[in-house]
Amino acid sequence: EADIYQTPRYLVIGTGKKITLECSQTMGHDKMYWYQQDPGMELHLIHYSYGVNSTEKGDLSSESTVSRIRTEHFPLTLESARPSHTSQYLCASSGPPGMDFGSGTRLTVV
Amino acid sequence: QQPVQSPQAVILREGEDAVINCSSSKALYSVHWYRQKHGEAPVFLMILLKGGEQKGHEKISASFNEKKQQSSLYLTASQLSYSGTYFCGTEGGDYKLSFGAGTTVTVRA
Repeated sequence: EADIYQTPRYLVIGTGKKITLECSQTMGHDKMYWYQQDPGMELHLIHYSYGVNSTEKGDLSSESTVSRIRTEHFPLTLESARPSHTSQYLCASSGPPGMDFGSGTRLTVV
Repeated sequence: QQPVQSPQAVILREGEDAVINCSSSKALYSVHWYRQKHGEAPVFLMILLKGGEQKGHEKISASFNEKKQQSSLYLTASQLSYSGTYFCGTEGGDYKLSFGAGTTVTVRA
């Protein structure tokens, strides 16, 4: 059973606002990931981390930033939200054997 | 760099077989396979490691050709529950797991 939690589940926010999407896991996994996915479309890797104080950019250029101060916590921050940021954001952690995904945050920027 | 999946979509009748292919332009350490149903998060099916053997999950199995940097997922005697979008994810030993565009599988009674 996966123990990875994302909050909020849904978020509607105005343009220019700063937001933080929360992601936590209780499995002690070192590797964590953020993916962006529009409905019915592919998963785009935007950030990943292989341990505390390590963060890397993914395949898709993103204006978001991440931090990894604790093993269990991997928040994603948008300093100034724009309508182009409207999407679903999926957090995942990876440990043997594979990757567990959270339920996602569906973000709408108006 | 993201892997390339084919076909984009496949329609099956219950009991039929299908193959989904995944290829990468970079050397691979592992290949992951996931299935995502509409409105849900992807669910892990199996992982194939460099130097490892073919894996299986119920009537779903996969192979990994390290030299060709390719993997294939085999759906055998498909069931209605197999419907969904299948994603392959590839990792080159740098912890970066990138996914292909997905293959939508529809199984009809």
